[in-house]
Parts: sequence; structure tokens; C-alpha cells
Amino acid sequence: DVKVTQSSRYLVKRTGEKVFLECVQDMDHENMFWYRQDPGLGLRLIYFSYDVKMKEKGDIPEGYSVSREKKERFSLILESASTNQTSMYLCASSLLAPSTDTQYFGPGTRLTVL
Amino acid sequence: GEDVEQSLFLSVREGDSSVINCTYTDSSSTYLYWYKQEPGAGLQLLTYIFSNMDMKQDQRLTVLLNKKDKHLSLRIADTQTGDSAIYFCASSFVCSGNQFYFGTGTSLTVIP
Repeated sequence: DVKVTQSSRYLVKRTGEKVFLECVQDMDHENMFWYRQDPGLGLRLIYFSYDVKMKEKGDIPEGYSVSREKKERFSLILESASTNQTSMYLCASSLLAPSTDTQYFGPGTRLTVL
Repeated sequence: GEDVEQSLFLSVREGDSSVINCTYTDSSSTYLYWYKQEPGAGLQLLTYIFSNMDMKQDQRLTVLLNKKDKHLSLRIADTQTGDSAIYFCASSFVCSGNQFYFGTGTSLTVIP
């Protein structure tokens, strides 16, 4: 069974704090993704990584950075959290090439920025 | 990039069939997927269809793909209250390193 785990289910932070969201997968997948999910907007891609130390901007990278030091771990960093970053954050992983082996998702982290 | 669109809400009565629709813009999509998200949870793959197929059936689920109209649908037969969830369609491409494009999600409510 593929497992994608995220460090927290719920997180509450204050404006201006630095926030780390961690994601770990155990399937040796090359690709890892960070999305945010907001009502009526679906999933929006923040960043993705197709290899260790590689990263690519998604559709909404502003205000975020990422780190991939090891293949199994992909971190999302909010350098200075703002209230408009209150959202559900979903991490996913997949093999490099499109296939029926799809993206596997973690349970999500609901972040509230006060 | 790809644009994937879905209607936001659907209500059906328990026992009826549900049909959730999705349109996409890029005809070079390789795979098309349906995901289910239950409250408070991540996304779970329900089924997928390869772009050279027209239909796929998996128990109560039927996926129809109309490549000409770039239209994908998910039919759930005999809908149950446990089917209440948000359903996302998604597409992926050979050339994109397996980047996925998701729709906005359709919230299905099943009325007992």
C-alpha cells in the first residue's frame, strides 16, 4: 500500500510566522507535488519536484518555497505566513511518467493563519 | 496549460444514478482520472481511462469519454449515502512529467 503522510492534520499559526509542512512517501516515487485546496477553486498546484534537489513552480508559487533534500521527503515552506494562506494543503506523489499508477495523496493539512 | 471544468454541486436521491460531468481543453491528454474526496480526507483514485478508450466500467462506476467534445463523465449507479463526497476529474500528459490538471470538484449530496 502506498503511503503518503503529512506531518500535521491541523495547524494554527500567526501572521508573519515561518511555517513548515512536511510530506513523506514510501513508494520511491520520483515526483512529489504540493497543492492547496480552496472551496470553488479545486486543487491548485503550488510546486512540484521530479527529483531530489529539483523543483518547479506550479500555478501559484508566490509566498511559498519548497525543499527536497531526500527522495522520500518534500517540504513546503511559508516564509512569512499571511491570512490568505489559510487553506487545506495536499501533498501527492507519483512515478515520473504518466501511467495508470496515478498520483497518491496524503490526508491533507488544514492550516489556519490568524 | 490545460483547463479542466466541472459543475460545483449535484444532488441526487438515494438509489438513483448520478452523472458527474467534466470538460477539458487539451486534446493531447494521455490519461483521465476520477478522484473522490470524503470530508476531511485526501483524494482517493476511483478510476481512470486511457485517452484511446471510449468507456470503462468498474462495478457501479461507468466512465464515458468523448474525445471529439473533450467531455468526460462519471456515472454512479444506485447511488448510496456513502457516495456523498467531492469528485474531481483530472488529466495528465506524456510530455509534462506527469503533472496533473484538476477540475474544481463537484460536491455530490445524496438525499436519503
